[in-house]
Parts: sequence; structure tokens; C-alpha cells
Amino acid sequence: KAGVTQTPRYLIKTRGQQVTLSCSPISGHRSVSWYQQTPGQGLQFLFEYFSETQRNKGNFPGRFSGRQFSNSRSEMNVSTLELGDSALYLCASSLELAGITDTQYFGPGTRLTVL
Amino acid sequence: QQPVQSPQAVILREGEDAVINCSSSKALYSVHWYRQKHGEAPVFLMILLKGGEQKGHEKISASFNEKKQQSSLYLTASQLSYSGTYFCGTYTNDYKLSFGAGTTVTVRA
Repeated sequence: KAGVTQTPRYLIKTRGQQVTLSCSPISGHRSVSWYQQTPGQGLQFLFEYFSETQRNKGNFPGRFSGRQFSNSRSEMNVSTLELGDSALYLCASSLELAGITDTQYFGPGTRLTVL
Repeated sequence: QQPVQSPQAVILREGEDAVINCSSSKALYSVHWYRQKHGEAPVFLMILLKGGEQKGHEKISASFNEKKQQSSLYLTASQLSYSGTYFCGTYTNDYKLSFGAGTTVTVRA
């Protein structure tokens, strides 16, 4: 079974621009979560989508948004990029809502650099 | 609220043991452990459930102390392949998986 895929793998943008990242979950998985990873901060939860609905959200500004399509693929959008948005963005999929016993499987991430 | 991991980093020689701790300020429903090697995606190691259940993966095992709201990951007889950053993820009553800042493990020959 193919793993979680993310595109693109690398992106370079300038401040003020916007960016869209894509995530394809493992076949059959209905939940997609997004995380921001920066050195020393670990994995910061952005949001989780399940059945095309946002089910949970982290403490990020409204510039960060996402959506999920009927085939469970998900996109994440960041508008008005700031230097501090430079990070590795990871998406993870799970069979059901990420929960007590459900394992999340991570994709390789998209490395975003904001200049 | 992010769980707190300690230590931040540890250096081991092959064959040595190490313990990584993960503490939460909230009551834990489950703890998830992952390992991430440089430039790769985090890889799932194990889940521990409320009830003190201990699980194992190769020579890596973990415990879950519900009363103390903490989990510990034990690396036994470490191998070079154990090098990487270990993250604990905690699932609490806010219904999201929150990850610690990670513990970097370096195993040297």
C-alpha cells in the first residue's frame, strides 16, 4: 500500500505571497492532520480534517487554512507568508479521527522557505 | 498543551541504555511514540493506553503511568539504527494529538 504523499517537497516563496500544499493520505484513510515542524518546537498541530470537515484546530492564525476533498486528499493554504512560516509541514493520515488508539502515518513533508 | 520531554538530547555508545520521559499537565488517554531520522518522516513506534499497559518494539519498550500523567520510553542495548529524534504524542480531553519538542538520540559505535 502506498504511503502518505505530499507535494511539492520543497518550496521557496517570498513574504506576502501565498502557498498551497497538498497531501494524499494512505488509501482508505479518512482523516488527515497537518503539523508544522520547526527546530526546537517539535510538531505543532495545525488542524485535522475528517470526511471533508475540519474537526479540530490548533493555535495558528487565520492565515493558515485547509480543506479536504471527497477522496480524502487535503490541501493546506497559507496566505500572506511571513518569515516565521518557514518550516517543514507534515501531514499525517489515519483510518478514523486521530484519537486514543488510532495510529497516524506521516508523509515526508513539504519544506517551505520564506525569503 | 504540549507534553514536556526530557532529556532534550542524549549521546550513547552502542549497547548502552537510555530512558526518555514524557510528561503532561493533563490527564492522558493515550501516549504515542514516534522516531524521526534526519530528513525523513516520523515513523510510528507504539501506542500506550490508559491502564498502565506496556508495549514493546524490538528492544524499545515503554511504560505509561496514568497517575503521574507520564510515559517513559526505554532504549535497551542501543544500536546505531536507534539514532534519531524521538517524539511523544499525547491524547487528552482536547481531542487532538499534541507532540513534545523531541529528544535527539545519537548512538555512536
